[in-house]
Amino acid sequence: KAGVTQTPRYLIKTRGQQVTLSCSPISGHRSVSWYQQTPGQGLQFLFEYFSETQRNKGNFPGRFSGRQFSNSRSEMNVSTLELGDSALYLCASSLAEVEGREKLFFGSGTQLSVL
Amino acid sequence: SQKIEQNSEALNIQEGKTATLTCNYTNYSPAYLQWYRQDPGRGPVFLLLIRENEKEKRKERLKVTFDTTLKQSLFHITASQPADSATYLCALAGNTGKLIFGQGTTLQVKP
Repeated sequence: KAGVTQTPRYLIKTRGQQVTLSCSPISGHRSVSWYQQTPGQGLQFLFEYFSETQRNKGNFPGRFSGRQFSNSRSEMNVSTLELGDSALYLCASSLAEVEGREKLFFGSGTQLSVL
Repeated sequence: SQKIEQNSEALNIQEGKTATLTCNYTNYSPAYLQWYRQDPGRGPVFLLLIRENEKEKRKERLKVTFDTTLKQSLFHITASQPADSATYLCALAGNTGKLIFGQGTTLQVKP
């Protein structure tokens, strides 16, 4: 069974640009969560989607948005990039009907650098 | 505010010893607690999940305890090996809430 796939693996952007990251969950998983990881803040929850609906949201500005398609694939978008958005963005999928009750399967992440 | 605390300092132990990592939380009543392992440049990998009504969970050389009175979880690796060197993250979830991660503790097992 294929794992969680995130593309691209690395990305370099400049301030003010926007970026779209993609995540393909494990087949059969309907829940997809996104996290931002930085050395100073650790893993910070961005949002979680289940069956195309955003079910939970973290404390990030509106520049961070996401969506989930009918095949459970998910994208997250960051508009008007800032230097502080440089981070490893991780996507995770699970079977959970209710988030937190099942283990998460993480992708390898997209390393975003904003110059 | 809700807070999850893990030892920020790296834990260095000798091969063969038992490693014990701590996860403390405040202003939180988690229904589930999970532990993950993360290697540099990779996503976290799930290790164990323990529910609020369970005191202890074991899997091979791993053991997790969950004390809701102390608001603490302990994660033990017995007979540690250099391959166990990694960052270990605890994560908490309420009954319907999102999964929140601690900052992680880096474990270094020396041969």
